[in-house]
Amino acid sequence: GAGVSQSPSNKVTEKGKDVELRCDPISGHTALYWYRQSLGQGLEFLIYFQGNSAPDKSGLPSDRFSAERTGGSVSTLTIQRTQQEDSAVYLCASEPGSGANVLTFGAGSRLTVL
Amino acid sequence: AQSVTQPDIHITVSEGASLELRCNYSYGATPYLFWYVQSPGQGLQLLLKYFSGDTLVQGIKGFEAEFKRSQSSFNLRKPSVHWSDAAEYFCAVGDNNDMRFGAGTRLTVKP
Repeated sequence: GAGVSQSPSNKVTEKGKDVELRCDPISGHTALYWYRQSLGQGLEFLIYFQGNSAPDKSGLPSDRFSAERTGGSVSTLTIQRTQQEDSAVYLCASEPGSGANVLTFGAGSRLTVL
Repeated sequence: AQSVTQPDIHITVSEGASLELRCNYSYGATPYLFWYVQSPGQGLQLLLKYFSGDTLVQGIKGFEAEFKRSQSSFNLRKPSVHWSDAAEYFCAVGDNNDMRFGAGTRLTVKP
């Protein structure tokens, strides 16, 4: 696609429920990143993919968080048993994979856990 | 792993005044350095980047940044701020697809 697409744009869920956030990167971009932006906080690195592989998962906050990428394209970030502290905007970005690190960001998915 | 520090959480400047946003990084070699801007309700947009060469880089919207190796800094500057520059600014450091961002600096512009 022309840009990085994320869905849903807004998600309200109850504590304890599972949520899935989707990112559709720019076509042909091999690198894909997930970040979390909490109110008043900066961008917290979660995970990045090179192709379908995730060389660095160190940013995932807990084992309730997981992410996958299939076909070198769409990625899904899953949060199990959501907690109120998971409330944040989850940002996805993609990059051609050239190593130049010029990221194109999506508009984000705002998650609210009640 | 690399890290980025933006010492100023919030800065207020008057319209027309000059601006400097500070950024310090920690990295073993010369990293790729970036500034992104996030306007209210908008996604992050790349302002400028430094890979190598001239240490003073020009970006969009009249912004520039200077890489100073001796200070491990990459401060963002603008000679004359416009009201539309009010936004959150993020410094980032990258190395081979590993991108880390600072906590951001929120810029308020007074009339």
